[in-house]
Formats: sequence, structure tokens, C-alpha cells
Amino acid sequence: EAGVAQSPRYKIIEKRQSVAFWCNPISGHATLYWYQQILGQGPKLLIQFQNNGVVDDSQLPKDRFSAERLKGVDSTLKIQPAKLEDSAVYLCASSGRTSPNYNEQFFGPGTRLTVL
Amino acid sequence: GENVEQHPSTLSVQEGDSAVIKCTYSDSASNYFPWYKQELGKGPQLIIDIRSNVGEKKDQRIAVTLNKTAKHFSLHITETQPEDSAVYFCAADSNSGYALNFGKGTSLLVTP
Repeated sequence: EAGVAQSPRYKIIEKRQSVAFWCNPISGHATLYWYQQILGQGPKLLIQFQNNGVVDDSQLPKDRFSAERLKGVDSTLKIQPAKLEDSAVYLCASSGRTSPNYNEQFFGPGTRLTVL
Repeated sequence: GENVEQHPSTLSVQEGDSAVIKCTYSDSASNYFPWYKQELGKGPQLIIDIRSNVGEKKDQRIAVTLNKTAKHFSLHITETQPEDSAVYFCAADSNSGYALNFGKGTSLLVTP
């Protein structure tokens, strides 16, 4: 089966600019996650969707970050305006009952963001 | 959120030796403990996981042990090979709906 798709793979912007990332989860997976991975650290959850509803966005900096999953499939994560400390890899993952283990999260390749 | 501590941060072993990575977690409600392998430029890939009703699980050269009382779990890789070189992350689920809290990672280097 096709894996989690993300685009773009790389993005370089200047601070105060805006940027958007796109994720297409594995077909049939109801749960979608966005994680932020700063260099040398483990992924940190930003937001979790169940279908098109938000389950957990407690760690999302809502003054600058937003995310949506309008039709319960694809998702976009936006940063506006970007700060230097937003430089990181943004990982999308999905999970669902199509997996033998529905906890199992499948990760995409990530988008590496550099803010100058 | 839950705190997951992982040690060591770097580990270098010779090919054929064993490697052990240890993690501790703080939330007694956690029930699911996956281990991910991340190669350069790629997303994390699940290599093995364990649930709280199981003390040990093995898959070929990889094994995971869990001590729920002590809130410890460990990854054991036997007969290491150069292609095992990567960053390994442990994680524990949270009570907010399957989201994972990750450790900071262990960079494993297997030298021929």
C-alpha cells in the first residue's frame, strides 16, 4: 500500500513569511498527526485529527500555527508568520483500523523547514 | 505531556555485538510502547512495539522488554550489522488518544 505522502520535502523561507505543508495519509486511516522534530530531538506532537475533528492541539502554537483536515483525508499545516525557532522537520503520520495494530503510526518522509 | 527519558544518546558497537537502549516514562496510564528507527532524511519507521499486558516481545534480532511497575522499557538488538546504524526513538502513548510522546533518540553506530 502507498505510504504517507508529504510535500514539499524542503522549504527555505525568511522569518515573518508564511509557509504551508501538505499531507496525504494512508488510504482509510482516520487518524492523522502532525509532529515537529527539531534537530537532535524526538518528534513532538503538534496536532491530532480524528477524521476531520481535532482530538488534541494542546501543543500547537495557535498564534502562528494552524492546521485543517476538511474532508477527513488530506491535511495542511500552516505557519504564519514564521520564526527562526520554527526551523525543524515537520512529520505527518497516520493510523487507523486498517492496521493490524491500530495504534501503529506510519510516518511520512517529512518536510524540512529552514527559516532564515 | 508525559516525559519519556532515553539513554544513551549515542552508542557505538562493533558488528556482531549487541546493543541495548533504555527508556523510562512517567505516565502510569501509558499502555503502548513502540520503537522507531530513523535514517537520515527519512521519517521514523516502526521496528517493534509492546503493550502493557506483555513483558517481552521478540522479532528476529530485535527484542523489547517492559517493566510496567518500574516504568522501564528497553530495546535489544543482537548480532548488530552496519545497516542497523541509525537513530532509534522510544515512545509511549498518552491518554489523549494514541498520540505518542517520544524520547530524544539514540544514535547507534555499528562499525564493521
